[in-house]
Amino acid sequence: QVQLVQSGDEVKKPGASVKVSCKTSTFSSITYGFHWVRQAPGQGLEWMGWINPRNGNTNYADNVHGRVTMTTDASTRTTYMELTGLRSDDTAIYYCTHWGEGNSFLDYWGQGTLVTVTS
Amino acid sequence: SYVLTQPPSVSEAPGKTATITCGGDNIGIKSVHWYQQKPGQAPLLVIFSDGGRPSGIPVRFSGSNSGNTATLMISRVEVGDEADYYCQVWDSRGDHPVFGGGTKLTVL
Repeated sequence: QVQLVQSGDEVKKPGASVKVSCKTSTFSSITYGFHWVRQAPGQGLEWMGWINPRNGNTNYADNVHGRVTMTTDASTRTTYMELTGLRSDDTAIYYCTHWGEGNSFLDYWGQGTLVTVTS
Repeated sequence: SYVLTQPPSVSEAPGKTATITCGGDNIGIKSVHWYQQKPGQAPLLVIFSDGGRPSGIPVRFSGSNSGNTATLMISRVEVGDEADYYCQVWDSRGDHPVFGGGTKLTVL
């Protein structure tokens, strides 16, 4: 069982940046990486990117590439997602998810962090 | 990017079998995963790799995948199964997951 605990909700102005954290119970051998998935109000799930904490490799979705940075801190078992140049359509719940070794599915999810972008 | 198509909504009576489809080009050769999302909650993996069930998921949940359609079936459906359900596959070209648009299951 992997537990993911995310940081609290945020309210930001357009053009600002937000950094969401996700503390995990383990960076064990079963962990291949972490994904970030967001969900706009009333909408479906949108993949944003993933990071492999072992080597720092990342893969970002085209629609946020250039504005998103994912990092990890192994000493605290924490993964971060920073999004810059916030716009109103970035308003969403942001989820971090666990990606197990050899899997193509996301087996554990954080509780979500609501980021509201408003002037 | 690979496209997954789900019906926006499905309704079924309690005790019956609810069926939710996920369409994609030759999806039968891919592994399909399903997530349940209840209002105000994070998604929960209910089916992995077409038909596998994570620990704690009732046996009432099952899945199949063939041709151009994957299917999630919930037998003896209960009011507590009302939720949005999302299918997901891996896009090997882009090396990332792809989600279907989601299906709202109503049990009435």
